Amino acid sequence: SAVISQKPSRDICQRGTSLTIQCQVDSQVTMMFWYRQQPGQSLTLIATANQGSEATYESGFVIDKFPISRPNLTFSTLTVSNMSPEDSSIYLCSVVWQGGQPQHFGDGTRLSIL
Amino acid sequence: KQEVTQIPAALSVPEGENLVLNCSFTDSAIYNLQWFRQDPGKGLTSLLLIQSSQREQTSGRLNASLDKSSGRSTLYIAASQPGDSATYLCAAPIYNTDKLIFGTGTRLQVFP
Repeated sequence: SAVISQKPSRDICQRGTSLTIQCQVDSQVTMMFWYRQQPGQSLTLIATANQGSEATYESGFVIDKFPISRPNLTFSTLTVSNMSPEDSSIYLCSVVWQGGQPQHFGDGTRLSIL
Repeated sequence: KQEVTQIPAALSVPEGENLVLNCSFTDSAIYNLQWFRQDPGKGLTSLLLIQSSQREQTSGRLNASLDKSSGRSTLYIAASQPGDSATYLCAAPIYNTDKLIFGTGTRLQVFP
């Protein structure tokens, strides 16, 4: 089966800094998404990463805080900017190879902000 | 607006039991529903996707059912094993998209 690689797997960062998370798929996909899982909670969709254009953000998430790139059909990045302790979460990318088909997730990036 | 809830929030059973996890959703205009498993500190593993045209989907000891009219899905696990211990999440898509709304999950522990 296809592989979804997410890097880094975990990081501890200082308040006010930014971190870029990478998601690499070993085959071309139709859709790529970014989710956040806050401690003890379920997943919330941050945005849809659109290939070659600006991401589509969900309510409560903005581009200045979570800039996203998707330069091609196999790669996307999520940046968490100007981090605060409230950003401590697991960030997960997911992909769909064809609309209406199962969504598959990377292993996530566990982020802690001091 | 799609909302997804799961009951129970936690479940602890002895090995060998058959069990049912429940998922409810508010917007019945969905074209599929997906069940996932999440192990502690890990990402999500897709278990089953059930299309709106199906009533059931099976994979090994797992069976998922979908009743759109009542806004419910169930995940049946037969002959549970300690290796089944994990959090189980259901997710329904926002109408006409692949964007998922997740339930709060059921944390399952199967003890020997």
